[in-house]
Amino acid sequence: AQRVTQPEKLLSVFKGAPVELKCNYSYSGSPELFWYVQYSRQRLQLLLRHISRESIKGFTADLNKGETSFHLKKPFAQEEDSAMYYCALKRNTDKLIFGTGTRLQVFP
Amino acid sequence: SAVISQKPSRDICQRGTSLTIQCQVDSQVTMMFWYRQQPGQSLTLIATANQGSEATYESGFVIDKFPISRPNLTFSTLTVSNMSPEDSSIYLCSVNPTSGRPDTQYFGPGTRLTVL
Repeated sequence: AQRVTQPEKLLSVFKGAPVELKCNYSYSGSPELFWYVQYSRQRLQLLLRHISRESIKGFTADLNKGETSFHLKKPFAQEEDSAMYYCALKRNTDKLIFGTGTRLQVFP
Repeated sequence: SAVISQKPSRDICQRGTSLTIQCQVDSQVTMMFWYRQQPGQSLTLIATANQGSEATYESGFVIDKFPISRPNLTFSTLTVSNMSPEDSSIYLCSVNPTSGRPDTQYFGPGTRLTVL
């Protein structure tokens, strides 16, 4: 079955602390994975894609096929990183399967 | 990127009635999708809106309950029919642009529906 699991509903850290938001997936094919973010009162938007191997706003995510994981990391969290983060897996014909999301709270 | 608007932004409806949600994109797009996000849950794909043909529904969703129109490449509607309180959700439209980053989905602001 195709599935995306985000085990943490809430992750709270202090400003400057490292952050890791966990994402595990189940997919029989070659996965394409994404992280989407929703800031307060804003629409859902793409943060990064694994195929781009990019760093956006200091966040990175590496696809680990052995562990079927795509964890999102940032070495030093900022208050403006507080948001809801969704991991997503792209199925055929561009359909996305979303995880349940992790709310990141960064305290000053 | 693609700029997406949805109408209405929110509504409160009575049980048994229907509501049609509109999704407008500022450019022509091939793929348009409708998602539902129930309270405290993740986004679930309802259907893919196909231009010129019937929508393709995901398991658990049927055309009689969620009829969809896609008259052209910039517009789609989703109707939530014969509503019950369980239909209270945020409904989101998303698109894949035909240029730029076609593997990226862009989302509308959502329609927050409350059914009494």
